[in-house]
Amino acid sequence: EVKLAESGGDLVQPGMSLRLSCTASGFTFSTYAMGWVRQAPGKGLEWVSAISSSAISTYYAASVRGRCIISRDNAKNTMFLQLNGLRVDDTAVYYCVKERIQFLEWLSGLDAWGKGTTVTVAS
Amino acid sequence: QHVLTQPPSVSGTPGQRVIISCSGSHSNIESNAVNWYQHVPGTAPKLVIHSNGQRTSGVPGRFSGSKSGTSASLAISGLQSEDEADYYCATWDETLKGYVIGSGTEVIVL
Repeated sequence: EVKLAESGGDLVQPGMSLRLSCTASGFTFSTYAMGWVRQAPGKGLEWVSAISSSAISTYYAASVRGRCIISRDNAKNTMFLQLNGLRVDDTAVYYCVKERIQFLEWLSGLDAWGKGTTVTVAS
Repeated sequence: QHVLTQPPSVSGTPGQRVIISCSGSHSNIESNAVNWYQHVPGTAPKLVIHSNGQRTSGVPGRFSGSKSGTSASLAISGLQSEDEADYYCATWDETLKGYVIGSGTEVIVL
């Protein structure tokens, strides 16, 4: 069974940093692109970032580009999202997601989602 | 400002058919496969349709998807109370080099 477990969410002040983690199991992690999707309170889903299976390619939404770094450790079946210069509008539940198609370098269908970790940015 | 536009809500009585539209452009819907997600608030979203019209394993046959040009749609036939949720279309955008998710549509079962 595919499982994705996020951690690292917290209450922080504007301008601070956070590192989110996603631990995966139940599939060959190193062969699938992965990503992050968030949902702010009362808002819809918003894609944040993605990383190819080999980590050669990384992608970012305009709203986080320059403040965010996605990475992965295939030996530990873990993906990370480093969030810097956090803003109030970064407050959201952050979901770890898995791409459906093996070896695809970008995202198409996201067939597994974690339960989410909550990031709250407030002074 | 969403790249993919959906109606805020659609509604129907049990047994009816509802259709959710998703409007995009050449760089996203026309160029890549469209996927649909069902999201019940408080739970993790679920992929229900991938590759424009393929149902994910376990998804009831009353869900169907289609695509034509720069638009896509999700149809739910024989609407049931358990179908109440938010639905999102999504695909890769070649110009933005990113994943774009629609504005979301709330399905209300009257």
